[in-house]
Amino acid sequence: KNQVEQSPQSLIILEGKNCTLQCNYTVSPFSNLRWYKQDTGRGPVSLTIMTFSENTKSNGRYTATLDADTKQSSLHITASQLSDSASYICVVISSGTYKYIFGTGTRLKVLA
Amino acid sequence: DTGVSQDPRHKITKRGQNVTFRCDPISEHNRLYWYRQTLGQGPEFLTYFQNEAQLEKSRLLSDRFSAERPKGSFSTLEIQRTEQGDSAMYLCASSLVATADEQFFGPGTRLTVL
Repeated sequence: KNQVEQSPQSLIILEGKNCTLQCNYTVSPFSNLRWYKQDTGRGPVSLTIMTFSENTKSNGRYTATLDADTKQSSLHITASQLSDSASYICVVISSGTYKYIFGTGTRLKVLA
Repeated sequence: DTGVSQDPRHKITKRGQNVTFRCDPISEHNRLYWYRQTLGQGPEFLTYFQNEAQLEKSRLLSDRFSAERPKGSFSTLEIQRTEQGDSAMYLCASSLVATADEQFFGPGTRLTVL
Protein backbone atom coordinates (compact mmCIF):
# COMPACT_ATOMS: atom_id res chain seq x y z
CA LYS A 1 0.00 0.00 0.00
CA ASN A 2 1.31 3.41 -0.98
CA GLN A 3 2.25 5.47 2.05
CA VAL A 4 1.04 8.65 0.32
CA GLU A 5 -2.43 8.62 -1.20
CA GLN A 6 -3.86 11.46 -3.24
CA SER A 7 -7.39 12.29 -4.32
CA PRO A 8 -9.00 12.85 -6.64
CA GLN A 9 -6.99 11.02 -9.28
CA SER A 10 -8.07 13.60 -11.85
CA LEU A 11 -10.09 16.79 -11.85
CA ILE A 12 -11.56 19.07 -14.50
CA ILE A 13 -12.58 22.63 -13.62
CA LEU A 14 -13.44 25.82 -15.44
CA GLU A 15 -11.01 28.71 -15.57
CA GLY A 16 -11.46 31.07 -12.63
CA LYS A 17 -12.85 28.39 -10.28
CA ASN A 18 -11.18 27.19 -7.09
CA CYS A 19 -10.25 23.62 -6.30
CA THR A 20 -8.79 21.56 -3.47
CA LEU A 21 -6.55 18.53 -3.80
CA GLN A 22 -6.12 16.04 -0.97
CA CYS A 23 -3.16 14.07 0.33
CA ASN A 24 -3.28 11.42 3.07
CA TYR A 25 -0.09 9.84 4.33
CA THR A 26 1.10 7.21 6.76
CA VAL A 27 4.80 8.07 6.70
CA SER A 28 6.09 8.56 10.24
CA PRO A 29 8.13 10.31 11.40
CA PHE A 30 8.41 12.85 8.64
CA SER A 31 10.63 15.84 8.15
CA ASN A 32 8.39 17.89 5.91
CA LEU A 33 5.73 17.68 3.25
CA ARG A 34 5.96 19.25 -0.18
CA TRP A 35 3.57 19.85 -3.03
CA TYR A 36 5.04 19.75 -6.52
CA LYS A 37 3.58 20.83 -9.84
CA GLN A 38 4.55 18.73 -12.83
CA ASP A 39 3.70 19.91 -16.32
CA THR A 40 3.32 17.19 -18.94
CA GLY A 41 6.73 15.94 -20.05
CA ARG A 42 8.59 18.04 -17.49
CA GLY A 43 10.20 17.48 -14.11
CA PRO A 44 8.38 18.35 -10.86
CA VAL A 45 8.74 21.89 -9.52
CA SER A 46 8.26 22.65 -5.83
CA LEU A 47 5.23 24.76 -4.88
CA THR A 48 5.20 24.64 -1.09
CA ILE A 49 7.06 23.07 1.79
CA MET A 50 5.62 22.50 5.26
CA THR A 51 7.18 21.13 8.41
CA PHE A 52 5.11 19.09 10.85
CA SER A 53 4.59 22.16 13.04
CA GLU A 54 3.09 24.31 10.29
CA ASN A 55 -0.62 24.37 9.50
CA THR A 56 -0.82 26.63 6.47
CA LYS A 57 1.58 27.89 3.83
CA SER A 58 0.73 30.09 0.85
CA ASN A 59 2.52 30.70 -2.41
CA GLY A 60 0.53 33.10 -4.55
CA ARG A 61 -2.71 31.40 -5.56
CA TYR A 62 -1.59 28.12 -3.95
CA THR A 63 -2.35 27.45 -0.28
CA ALA A 64 -1.29 24.24 1.41
CA THR A 65 -2.61 23.02 4.74
CA LEU A 66 -1.30 20.29 6.99
CA ASP A 67 -2.93 18.43 9.87
CA ALA A 68 -0.18 16.30 11.41
CA ASP A 69 -2.64 14.65 13.81
CA THR A 70 -4.84 13.22 11.08
CA LYS A 71 -1.91 12.96 8.63
CA GLN A 72 -3.71 14.93 5.96
CA SER A 73 -2.64 17.76 3.69
CA SER A 74 -4.50 19.74 1.08
CA LEU A 75 -3.55 22.08 -1.74
CA HIS A 76 -6.06 24.79 -2.56
CA ILE A 77 -5.80 26.61 -5.87
CA THR A 78 -7.62 29.91 -6.10
CA ALA A 79 -8.90 31.52 -9.30
CA SER A 80 -7.54 28.78 -11.53
CA GLN A 81 -5.80 29.59 -14.78
CA LEU A 82 -5.28 27.53 -17.91
CA SER A 83 -1.60 27.25 -17.01
CA ASP A 84 -2.55 25.43 -13.82
CA SER A 85 -3.30 22.37 -15.93
CA ALA A 86 -0.72 19.86 -14.69
CA SER A 87 -0.18 17.01 -12.26
CA TYR A 88 0.13 17.94 -8.61
CA ILE A 89 2.20 15.57 -6.53
CA CYS A 90 2.30 15.36 -2.75
CA VAL A 91 5.70 14.30 -1.39
CA VAL A 92 6.40 13.32 2.20
CA ILE A 93 10.04 13.47 3.22
CA SER A 94 10.87 10.92 5.89
CA SER A 95 12.77 12.13 8.90
CA GLY A 96 16.40 11.06 9.21
CA THR A 97 16.85 9.49 5.79
CA TYR A 98 15.23 12.43 3.94
CA LYS A 99 13.83 9.88 1.51
CA TYR A 100 11.17 11.28 -0.81
CA ILE A 101 7.93 9.30 -0.76
CA PHE A 102 5.70 10.36 -3.63
CA GLY A 103 1.96 10.22 -4.06
CA THR A 104 0.53 9.17 -7.40
CA GLY A 105 -0.56 12.71 -8.15
CA THR A 106 -3.76 14.50 -9.15
CA ARG A 107 -4.11 15.44 -12.81
CA LEU A 108 -5.81 18.83 -13.03
CA LYS A 109 -7.30 20.13 -16.26
CA VAL A 110 -8.48 23.74 -16.39
CA LEU A 111 -10.85 24.52 -19.25
CA ALA A 112 -11.57 27.93 -20.78
CA ASP B 1 14.61 25.95 -14.99
CA THR B 2 15.87 24.38 -11.75
CA GLY B 3 19.51 24.19 -12.84
CA VAL B 4 19.46 20.40 -13.25
CA SER B 5 19.79 19.31 -16.87
CA GLN B 6 19.22 15.94 -18.49
CA ASP B 7 20.16 14.63 -21.90
CA PRO B 8 18.58 13.48 -24.09
CA ARG B 9 15.06 14.71 -23.41
CA HIS B 10 13.55 11.94 -25.51
CA LYS B 11 14.88 8.56 -26.57
CA ILE B 12 13.18 5.99 -28.77
CA THR B 13 14.88 2.64 -29.02
CA LYS B 14 14.15 -0.90 -30.09
CA ARG B 15 13.82 -3.70 -27.59
CA GLY B 16 17.16 -5.25 -26.79
CA GLN B 17 19.22 -2.13 -27.41
CA ASN B 18 21.30 -0.35 -24.76
CA VAL B 19 20.63 3.26 -23.81
CA THR B 20 22.49 5.78 -21.67
CA PHE B 21 21.14 8.93 -20.10
CA ARG B 22 23.08 11.80 -18.59
CA CYS B 23 22.27 14.11 -15.71
CA ASP B 24 24.12 17.31 -14.81
CA PRO B 25 23.17 18.44 -11.30
CA ILE B 26 23.39 21.91 -9.82
CA SER B 27 27.14 22.42 -9.60
CA GLU B 28 27.59 22.58 -5.83
CA HIS B 29 25.14 19.78 -5.07
CA ASN B 30 26.83 16.66 -3.73
CA ARG B 31 23.77 14.39 -3.78
CA LEU B 32 22.27 13.12 -7.01
CA TYR B 33 19.15 10.95 -7.33
CA TRP B 34 17.58 8.91 -10.12
CA TYR B 35 13.86 8.20 -10.28
CA ARG B 36 11.59 6.43 -12.74
CA GLN B 37 8.08 7.64 -13.45
CA THR B 38 5.51 5.71 -15.45
CA LEU B 39 2.41 7.31 -16.91
CA GLY B 40 -0.07 8.45 -14.30
CA GLN B 41 2.16 7.52 -11.38
CA GLY B 42 4.43 9.40 -9.05
CA PRO B 43 8.20 9.02 -9.37
CA GLU B 44 9.81 5.90 -7.88
CA PHE B 45 13.27 5.96 -6.35
CA LEU B 46 16.00 4.09 -8.21
CA THR B 47 19.31 5.09 -6.66
CA TYR B 48 21.29 7.97 -5.23
CA PHE B 49 24.88 9.15 -4.98
CA GLN B 50 26.70 11.25 -2.46
CA ASN B 51 29.64 12.64 -4.36
CA GLU B 52 30.91 9.65 -6.36
CA ALA B 53 29.66 6.99 -3.95
CA GLN B 54 26.44 5.14 -4.76
CA LEU B 55 24.84 4.88 -1.33
CA GLU B 56 21.53 3.21 -2.03
CA LYS B 57 19.90 1.21 -4.80
CA SER B 58 16.24 0.31 -5.03
CA ARG B 59 15.15 -3.24 -5.76
CA LEU B 60 13.64 -1.69 -8.91
CA LEU B 61 17.18 -1.33 -10.22
CA SER B 62 17.60 -4.69 -11.90
CA ASP B 63 20.89 -6.12 -13.17
CA ARG B 64 20.28 -4.45 -16.51
CA PHE B 65 20.48 -1.02 -14.92
CA SER B 66 23.72 0.65 -13.89
CA ALA B 67 24.40 4.16 -12.70
CA GLU B 68 27.69 5.97 -12.27
CA ARG B 69 28.92 9.29 -11.01
CA PRO B 70 32.66 8.94 -11.63
CA LYS B 71 33.85 12.39 -10.59
CA GLY B 72 31.07 13.36 -8.27
CA SER B 73 29.59 15.74 -10.80
CA PHE B 74 27.46 14.47 -13.69
CA SER B 75 25.90 11.02 -13.61
CA THR B 76 24.93 8.46 -16.22
CA LEU B 77 22.20 5.84 -16.09
CA GLU B 78 22.57 2.94 -18.49
CA ILE B 79 19.93 0.39 -19.33
CA GLN B 80 21.13 -2.73 -21.12
CA ARG B 81 18.94 -5.00 -23.26
CA THR B 82 15.97 -2.67 -22.96
CA GLU B 83 12.48 -4.12 -22.54
CA GLN B 84 9.13 -2.54 -23.30
CA GLY B 85 8.49 -2.29 -19.57
CA ASP B 86 11.42 0.11 -19.30
CA SER B 87 9.41 2.75 -21.13
CA ALA B 88 9.07 5.60 -18.66
CA MET B 89 10.27 9.06 -17.74
CA TYR B 90 13.65 8.95 -16.01
CA LEU B 91 14.08 11.86 -13.64
CA CYS B 92 17.25 13.12 -12.05
CA ALA B 93 17.36 15.34 -8.97
CA SER B 94 20.11 16.89 -6.90
CA SER B 95 20.51 18.36 -3.44
CA LEU B 96 23.05 19.41 -0.87
CA VAL B 97 23.74 16.99 1.96
CA ALA B 98 22.96 19.75 4.44
CA THR B 99 19.55 20.35 2.88
CA ALA B 100 18.83 16.83 1.67
CA ASP B 101 15.12 17.42 2.14
CA GLU B 102 15.15 19.87 -0.77
CA GLN B 103 15.69 18.14 -4.09
CA PHE B 104 15.68 19.97 -7.40
CA PHE B 105 14.47 17.98 -10.38
CA GLY B 106 15.62 17.96 -13.95
CA PRO B 107 13.21 17.93 -16.92
CA GLY B 108 13.52 14.18 -17.34
CA THR B 109 14.35 11.83 -20.18
CA ARG B 110 11.37 10.16 -21.80
CA LEU B 111 12.29 6.63 -22.94
CA THR B 112 10.12 4.72 -25.37
CA VAL B 113 11.04 1.11 -26.09
CA LEU B 114 9.43 -0.27 -29.23
